[in-house]
Amino acid sequence: DAGVIQSPRHEVTEMGQEVTLRCKPISGHDYLFWYRQTMMRGLELLIYFNNNVPIDDSGMPEDRFSAKMPNASFSTLKIQPSEPRDSAVYFCASGFGRYQPQHFGDGTRLSIL
Amino acid sequence: KQEVTQIPAALSVPEGENLVLNCSFTDSAIYNLQWFRQDPGKGLTSLLLIQSSQREQTSGRLNASLDKSSGRSTLYIAASQPGDSATYLCAVQGAQKLVFGQGTRLTINP
Repeated sequence: DAGVIQSPRHEVTEMGQEVTLRCKPISGHDYLFWYRQTMMRGLELLIYFNNNVPIDDSGMPEDRFSAKMPNASFSTLKIQPSEPRDSAVYFCASGFGRYQPQHFGDGTRLSIL
Repeated sequence: KQEVTQIPAALSVPEGENLVLNCSFTDSAIYNLQWFRQDPGKGLTSLLLIQSSQREQTSGRLNASLDKSSGRSTLYIAASQPGDSATYLCAVQGAQKLVFGQGTRLTINP
């Protein structure tokens, strides 16, 4: 079974550029979550979707961040414009049911110079 | 606001020892508590999930306990192996979201 697939694995870009992170959840899962992990703040929930609909985006740090889920098999997290403080590892996770185990992708390591 | 604390931040033990990782949380109104493992450069792997009505869960050499009233959970690893070396995170599921601790980095020395 394919797990959660994230791309790219690594992204290095200059401040001010647009960054798009991609996620393919596990087929059949109805929840999709985006997390950010940093040394200082640990793992934080940014936004989650249920059946492709955004449910809670209160963790999105600023208007520079946006996320979409156009269909059940694809989601994007976009940062525009990017800033050095956005450097982190971004994880996508999916699950079947709100309170069931979440399955994580391997993450995208983002570096903004 | 839920806060999850894991102590110690790092632990190093010889192979074969039994060990306990600790997790504490401030708000007992939780749906479940989960233990994850994270290997360097990888995502999280769910190890055990304890529902709020349960006291413990077991999987192989792993046993997790939950004391909701005192806001504590432990992860017991029996007969540790070098392959158990990783960062272990606990996370509590509230009504709104899953809140993670900072993790315990475990090293098992051969």
